[in-house]
Amino acid sequence: QKEVEQDPGPLSVPEGAIVSLNCTYSNSAFQYFMWYRQYSRKGPELLMYTYSSGNKEDGRFTAQVDKSSKYISLFIRDSQPSDSATYLCAMSARGNNRLAFGKGNQVVVIP
Amino acid sequence: GAGVSQSPSNKVTEKGKDVELRCDPISGHTALYWYRQSLGQGLEFLIYFQGNSAPDKSGLPSDRFSAERTGGSVSTLTIQRTQQEDSAVYLCASSLDQPGVAGNTIYFGEGSWLTVV
Repeated sequence: QKEVEQDPGPLSVPEGAIVSLNCTYSNSAFQYFMWYRQYSRKGPELLMYTYSSGNKEDGRFTAQVDKSSKYISLFIRDSQPSDSATYLCAMSARGNNRLAFGKGNQVVVIP
Repeated sequence: GAGVSQSPSNKVTEKGKDVELRCDPISGHTALYWYRQSLGQGLEFLIYFQGNSAPDKSGLPSDRFSAERTGGSVSTLTIQRTQQEDSAVYLCASSLDQPGVAGNTIYFGEGSWLTVV
C-alpha cells in the first residue's frame, strides 16, 4: 500500500460548480497536510497548509483533515476556468525530511 | 529572482550520456530538495540538503544519481549514463526549514524536463 493514495482520474466540471478532491494515507505519523496546485509545465505551488485535524478556509478553497480516518479533502467553491490544473496532496511527519505526495488530480473547469 | 530557479528548463540527451541539472534556491533557505515527477506519477523524493548536515540521499534510485550542494546554496543533480527511464521532470524545492516544522513552506522551481532518447 502506498503511503498516500489519490485517485488520479481527471475531473471535468462546469464553471461555478464545487470541486471535491481527496486523499487517503496510511502513515499515522503524518501531521502536516498540504495541497499543491500545478499548472501545465510549471512547478507545484502551495495552495493550502493544514496542521493536524480540522478545517481551514482561504477564499474559495477549503481544506479538511480527518486524522481518525486518515483522509484529507480539498473543496473549491465557485470554480473558475483558471482553476484548471493538477492538484496534488502532500503530507509529512514531524522531524521528517520529505513530503509524501499523491499522484495528483487533473481538474478541468469548463466555461 | 525571488523564486527557485532551475536550469536547463529542457534537456534532450542521448542514452548513455551524463547530464547535470542546476538549482538556485531562494536566498536564505537552508533546506533544499530534489524530486522527480514522471508522467502520471506523483512526486518522488530523491535527496534533501539541510544546512551543513549530511544530505538525506535515501531517495536516489541508483548509484548513477548524485547531487551536491555548494556553499549551502546552489545544488547540482548529476545523472550518469542516462537511461530512457530517467526521462522525467526533475523538480528542485527550497524552504526556510525542514518539512516537519509547523508552518514551513516548501517552494518549488519550474523543473528541468529531461528526455533521454
